[in-house]
Amino acid sequence: EVQLVESGGGLVKPGSSLKLSCVASGFTFSSYGMHWIRQAPKKGLEWIALIYYDSSNKYYADSVKGRFTISRDNSKNTLYLEMNSLRSEDTAMYYCAKSTGITDYWGQGVMVTVSS
Amino acid sequence: DTVLTQSPALAVSLGQRVTISCRASKSVSTYMHWYQQKSGQQPKLLIYSASNLESGVPSRFSGSGSGTDFTLTIDPVEADDIANYYCQQSNELPLTFGSGTKLEIK
Repeated sequence: EVQLVESGGGLVKPGSSLKLSCVASGFTFSSYGMHWIRQAPKKGLEWIALIYYDSSNKYYADSVKGRFTISRDNSKNTLYLEMNSLRSEDTAMYYCAKSTGITDYWGQGVMVTVSS
Repeated sequence: DTVLTQSPALAVSLGQRVTISCRASKSVSTYMHWYQQKSGQQPKLLIYSASNLESGVPSRFSGSGSGTDFTLTIDPVEADDIANYYCQQSNELPLTFGSGTKLEIK
């Protein structure tokens, strides 16, 4: 059974940093691209980043480019999202999702709140 | 970016058929997928590549379309189908989602 478990969220002040993790199990993590997608409270879904299976390519939404960094450690079956210079508009539930060209499995999400 | 437009809400009676539409601002071929999100849960893939039913999803769900116009059909609607439904295109980056359609019961 595919499982994706996010962690690392919390309440932080504007301008601060946070690093999210997503531990994968139930599939060969090193064979799949992975995404981060977020959802602000009561809002829709926003894709924010993609990393290829071998970390050879990374892509970002304009809204986070230069502030967020996606990475992975295939030896630990773990995906990361390092978030710097956080803003109030980054407040959201953050999901990791497995990719086959389609985001077919999503984690349960981790909440990030940016507030003074 | 490819903008996806969905109706914000639909009300339907149990046992009836409902069609949820999604229009893309440019052709996405058949790289359109549908997700169901129940309150407090993560999105769940229902239909991929416009018309393919994801494993384990009831056959009451179906999808159609290509290019710019797509539909998700639920027939018949059950009480368990109360949720938000999102379309998503993967034809190009950035991946984009529709704003979601809230399915309500009359």
